[in-house]
Amino acid sequence: EAGVVQSPRYKIIEKKQPVAFWCNPISGHNTLYWYLQNLGQGPELLIRYENEEAVDDSQLPKDRFSAERLKGVDSTLKIQPAELGDSAVYLCASSLTPTTYEQYFGPGTRLTVT
Amino acid sequence: GQSLEQPSEVTAVEGAIVQINCTYQTSGFYGLSWYQQHDGGAPTFLSYNALDGLEETGRFSSFLSRSDSYGYLLLQELQMKDSASYFCAVRDGASGAGSYQLTFGKGTKLSVIP
Repeated sequence: EAGVVQSPRYKIIEKKQPVAFWCNPISGHNTLYWYLQNLGQGPELLIRYENEEAVDDSQLPKDRFSAERLKGVDSTLKIQPAELGDSAVYLCASSLTPTTYEQYFGPGTRLTVT
Repeated sequence: GQSLEQPSEVTAVEGAIVQINCTYQTSGFYGLSWYQQHDGGAPTFLSYNALDGLEETGRFSSFLSRSDSYGYLLLQELQMKDSASYFCAVRDGASGAGSYQLTFGKGTKLSVIP
């Protein structure tokens, strides 16, 4: 069974540029999560999807971040414009249902903003 | 809000036993999870405790005391490959009914030495 797939694995951009991250969850997983992980910290939830509906986006900085999950499968997280403080690892995870306690994480996208 | 505390670093000898503690403060507590993350890798699920007591999975065990808001992860017969960061994560419904948000601690970096 394929795991959660993310691309790109690494991205370096200049500040004020846009950037997008893509995630394909495990097949059949209803719930998809985007997390941000700073160095030496635990993952922090940005947004949670149930199928194509964003049901928890309270931590998403909506002035510059946006996300979508068309057709309830893969998802894209976008930052526009990027700031220096956005440098971090962006993790995508999925779970079978919203109440399933086990989440499966992808390898993440390491973003460096210069 | 939610907060979790765990030691930042632990060092143990190969073949030994190590315990990583986690204390938490949260509302609407549902359970405590543990995840392992190797450097540059994806967090992987280890265990979940919803009720008080000890859960054993191979060399790893996890304990929860809801009355003390405390849990621990016990790793036995340590191997070099166990060197990684270990995160406790609280599952709560503080964001509303049906919102099973996972809040992670900052992680404990375990170094296994020969």
